[in-house]
Amino acid sequence: EIVMTQSPATLSVSPGERATLSCRASQTVRTNLAWYQQKPGQAPRLLIYKASTRATGIPARFSGSGSGTEFTLTISSLQFEDFAVYYCQHNNNWPWTFGQGTKVEIK
Amino acid sequence: QVQLVESGGGVVQPGGSLRLSCAASGFTFSSSGMHWARQAPGKGLEWVAFLQYDERNKFYADSVRGRFTISRDTSKNTLFLQMNSLRPEDTAVYYCVKDNPVLEVWGQGTLVTVSS
Repeated sequence: EIVMTQSPATLSVSPGERATLSCRASQTVRTNLAWYQQKPGQAPRLLIYKASTRATGIPARFSGSGSGTEFTLTISSLQFEDFAVYYCQHNNNWPWTFGQGTKVEIK
Repeated sequence: QVQLVESGGGVVQPGGSLRLSCAASGFTFSSSGMHWARQAPGKGLEWVAFLQYDERNKFYADSVRGRFTISRDTSKNTLFLQMNSLRPEDTAVYYCVKDNPVLEVWGQGTLVTVSS
């Protein structure tokens, strides 16, 4: 199975600043990569699919990039509601796997 | 709007069985692939199983293959997860998820605890 590795584990950012989250796949997943946001006590929410396509209703401050094995989620100007855990996940082949998550916390 | 409501979670002894249900509404269930995913307490997300819209294909995580079975009743807009030979490491919140073509919409989850 493909192993997804996210970095850093925790990212401390001030509101209004830019956040850059990384995700690496152990083998190519082409652009079959999605990002999810999860807040405490809530179900995950789809943010990005196909590496760079925002899901319905997702603000433009969220952007995704990358292909192959290296991917990035960028939040251009962090809002208070963006502090959460973010997961990447590939859907290139079965089984689908997730990264271990990056927690974005208030600095 | 799309709504997914899981039920059937609870406490079960190791080696026991449990069947989870997911009531779907707000979309054409018969045309949609569906997934189960889970999250152990304080841990990350794990994809568990997928069922194609026409049931021609099913896929499972290695950790549950041979023990869990995903199925659906299209007439009742309901997805199921039959879990047998449960282990303590299966303890998690189980989420029902609509496919399009990734994990597009998630239910709120149901907690399964495997403990003696």
